[in-house]
Amino acid sequence: KAGVTQTPRYLIKTRGQQVTLSCSPISGHRSVSWYQQTPGQGLQFLFEYFSETQRNKGNFPGRFSGRQFSNSRSEMNVSTLELGDSALYLCASSPGLTVQYFGPGTRLTVL
Amino acid sequence: AQRVTQPEKLLSVFKGAPVELKCNYSYSGSPELFWYVQYSRQRLQLLLRHISRESIKGFTADLNKGETSFHLKKPFAQEEDSAMYYCALLGGPGNTGKLIFGQGTTLQVKP
Repeated sequence: KAGVTQTPRYLIKTRGQQVTLSCSPISGHRSVSWYQQTPGQGLQFLFEYFSETQRNKGNFPGRFSGRQFSNSRSEMNVSTLELGDSALYLCASSPGLTVQYFGPGTRLTVL
Repeated sequence: AQRVTQPEKLLSVFKGAPVELKCNYSYSGSPELFWYVQYSRQRLQLLLRHISRESIKGFTADLNKGETSFHLKKPFAQEEDSAMYYCALLGGPGNTGKLIFGQGTTLQVKP
């Protein structure tokens, strides 16, 4: 099976802009989780979707949002970008409440 | 609170030496724990899952509920083991789809 894919792999934006990141899970996986990875804070949970419903949300401001489509593909959106949003954004898919498989990440740089 | 602690940021050993990467957790109930590894310029990948009780690439990890630990061990380190290692705890009921990560330990295996 193909692994988790994320697009784009790299993004450069300026403060105040918004960005949308995409994640395609492993075929058959219905759960998609998103994480932010930074050198200072490490890996932090953003949110999790299952069957198009957000089941859990981490401690991030409302500028961070996401959605999941009927084919389990997921997008996350960050509005009004801030310098501190520069990070590697990882998505992970899972067949259920169990092990998660990660994508390569999208490297977002905010200037 | 659910928490994972990896006390060492960097562990440096010589090839052939034993390795132990420490992980302690805080969780009320039966935890589900994982070790993930991130090689240079590669995606985060699952190394071990505690309920599998298997050995991958010579690594093992035993859950010690009394000491709330899940240390990763390998008897003889290889240079190709050099990577970043993360211990992770799966959030329980009410924390669906969330992996709680430690800060990670960089393992450096010197020739």
